[in-house]
Amino acid sequence: AAGVIQSPRHLIKEKRETATLKCYPIPRHDTVYWYQQGPGQDPQFLISFYEKMQSDKGSIPDRFSAQQFSDYHSELNMSSLELGDSALYFCASSPRRAGMGEQYFGPGTRLTVT
Amino acid sequence: LAKTTQPISMDSYEGQEVNITCSHNNIATNDYITWYQQFPSQGPRFIIQGYKTKVTNEVASLFIPADRKSSTLSLPRVSLSDTAVYYCLVGDMSSPRLTGTASKLTFGTGTRLQVTL
Repeated sequence: AAGVIQSPRHLIKEKRETATLKCYPIPRHDTVYWYQQGPGQDPQFLISFYEKMQSDKGSIPDRFSAQQFSDYHSELNMSSLELGDSALYFCASSPRRAGMGEQYFGPGTRLTVT
Repeated sequence: LAKTTQPISMDSYEGQEVNITCSHNNIATNDYITWYQQFPSQGPRFIIQGYKTKVTNEVASLFIPADRKSSTLSLPRVSLSDTAVYYCLVGDMSSPRLTGTASKLTFGTGTRLQVTL
């Protein structure tokens, strides 16, 4: 079965650089979520999109922005990167019929800021 | 979202049944209980979801008492590959089609299950 695709899988950036993470949801999933998981920490919600509109917002820094495109893929743009941004970034998607509980996570993008 | 409390860690031997209990005293009427599993450096994986009584799927069972203030995830005959972190989440499961909002998952501190031979 198709899964959530994230690219790149690994990314190394320097402080103050920018990064763009991409997420391709499972076909026919119209909702996308972004989560950040720091080393040894639990996943933290960043932002979600439903039908290409921003839906819910968590602890996402102002330096980060995201959007969902007409084909439902989503991009997380991160600027002025800081060392503390080093983390695993997960994208998840859910199907039209599902509620909050049923989210399918991608493999993640490991961002390292040096 | 209702606050959840679960043990930080548990140990088990391969072949045993493991029960992980989660407390959620402030659960609301519309809230469902959902469990996720996460392996190191992988995204969380949906295991099971329930509202009341008992739910069973091919992976686990979920027991929810009548007052719904707690729930127990039961993993039958665990194997080494079940070593992971297990998260209990409680919240409104309404579809975004009804609410217009794709609500977040709020992960608390999960239970780190270690299975050994």
